[in-house]
Amino acid sequence: QSALTQPASVSGSPGQSITISCTGTSSDVGGYNFVSWYQQHPGKAPKLMIYDVTNRPSGVSNRFSGSKSGNTASLTISGLQAEDEADYYCISWTSSSIYVFGSGTQVTVL
Amino acid sequence: EVQLVESGGGLVQPGGSLRLSCAASGFTFSNYWMHWVRQVPGKGLVWVSRIKGDGINTNYADSVKGRFTISRDNAKNTVYLQINSLRAEDTAVYYCARGAWLSYYFDSWGQGTLVTVSS
Repeated sequence: QSALTQPASVSGSPGQSITISCTGTSSDVGGYNFVSWYQQHPGKAPKLMIYDVTNRPSGVSNRFSGSKSGNTASLTISGLQAEDEADYYCISWTSSSIYVFGSGTQVTVL
Repeated sequence: EVQLVESGGGLVQPGGSLRLSCAASGFTFSNYWMHWVRQVPGKGLVWVSRIKGDGINTNYADSVKGRFTISRDNAKNTVYLQINSLRAEDTAVYYCARGAWLSYYFDSWGQGTLVTVSS
């Protein structure tokens, strides 16, 4: 199972919106509404930001939102803030009853 | 409060074995799938394995099948990952994570334990 495809890096200025894509296949992203997104700061454990494509856990800023179209899921961060600078990973449940992570995206706040 | 604390990492020679532990607290452990995820330093996250609350059903990433074994002791609220025939490419931080109730994401993570395979 190959990793889901994410852009290696995305950047934006404070206050701007950015979108991170996560492309898979009909056997994972496209086949299930079980895509979640995690934020990871250096040296820290991942933190859940979005689950089941569009849902935001309590305590996560409403500046984070998720969506999906076909085999591609997306994470949008609006009103970009310095604290959003981190690595972001998507992950999907698959038809093989396993999970596959995305390759990861480094977000830089300019 | 949900807490997951991994232990058992360290320096191991190639070909050796290691058992990682993840002690859970703050929830009814036997009700939840538990997962292991690893991360090579400087690289991305990779899902490794999961085990159902009853300890019977397990799944593994293709890359670790045959060398890794996940297990759990619900009396001790602990999940384990046995790693055999260790290779340099197994050097990574190993995280345990709790599977969400009735869905397919991870709602809590431990802080990770570093495994270094080197002679």
